[in-house]
Amino acid sequence: DTAVSQTPKYLVTQMGNDKSIKCEQNLGHDTMYWYKQDSKKFLKIMFSYNNKELIINETVPNRFSPKSPDKAHLNLHINSLELGDSAVYFCASSLKLRAITNEQFFGPGTRLTVL
Amino acid sequence: AQSVTQLDSQVPVFEEAPVELRCNYSSSVSVYLFWYVQYPNQGLQLLLKYLSGSTLVKGINGFEAEFNKSQTSFHLRKPSVHISDTAEYFCAVSGNTGGFKTIFGAGTRLFVKA
Repeated sequence: DTAVSQTPKYLVTQMGNDKSIKCEQNLGHDTMYWYKQDSKKFLKIMFSYNNKELIINETVPNRFSPKSPDKAHLNLHINSLELGDSAVYFCASSLKLRAITNEQFFGPGTRLTVL
Repeated sequence: AQSVTQLDSQVPVFEEAPVELRCNYSSSVSVYLFWYVQYPNQGLQLLLKYLSGSTLVKGINGFEAEFNKSQTSFHLRKPSVHISDTAEYFCAVSGNTGGFKTIFGAGTRLFVKA
């Protein structure tokens, strides 16, 4: 069983379109994250949710809107896609927010290409 | 504020040779340190972590790291690498500040040559 899964794995789209990436974890974790990894492999946190509540929003443009229908799911919707949004997006989860010693479990990533 | 610096962007090494990947951190509070590995086209997975106690931490795949508080370092080592160790390695730090964020370094590409 996959612990953290993301769909789709690849996403190719035109500028200006709206797209969504879905993430699910079956680990029973309370906290979930979205990260963006650029072409130089730099990993930057975008959002963190704890039990469906937004905890971290790292000055991400308003075009990015996370949604957490329940604590096992954290989806990412992106409006009006721009060329600079091209990257690999990773979902991750950890056991509890304030248990900062916990490791994070990462999904396989979604490679987004904006043309 | 916390930060992490990985001192080498790329480390080429021959198979069966030892390797050290360097990581320095800065933080005004107690920190917890991690090394993650990312194999090509995959997500990150934990290699090892330092929370407290013994400063020498052993992880998976024969890797180990040493926490050095005076030098604010957490270098990753392996005595003999394999081709399969070729991957991107990320050092990370978390602590009781900044909304419990984990801050990742820029990554070090380990390339093992035959």
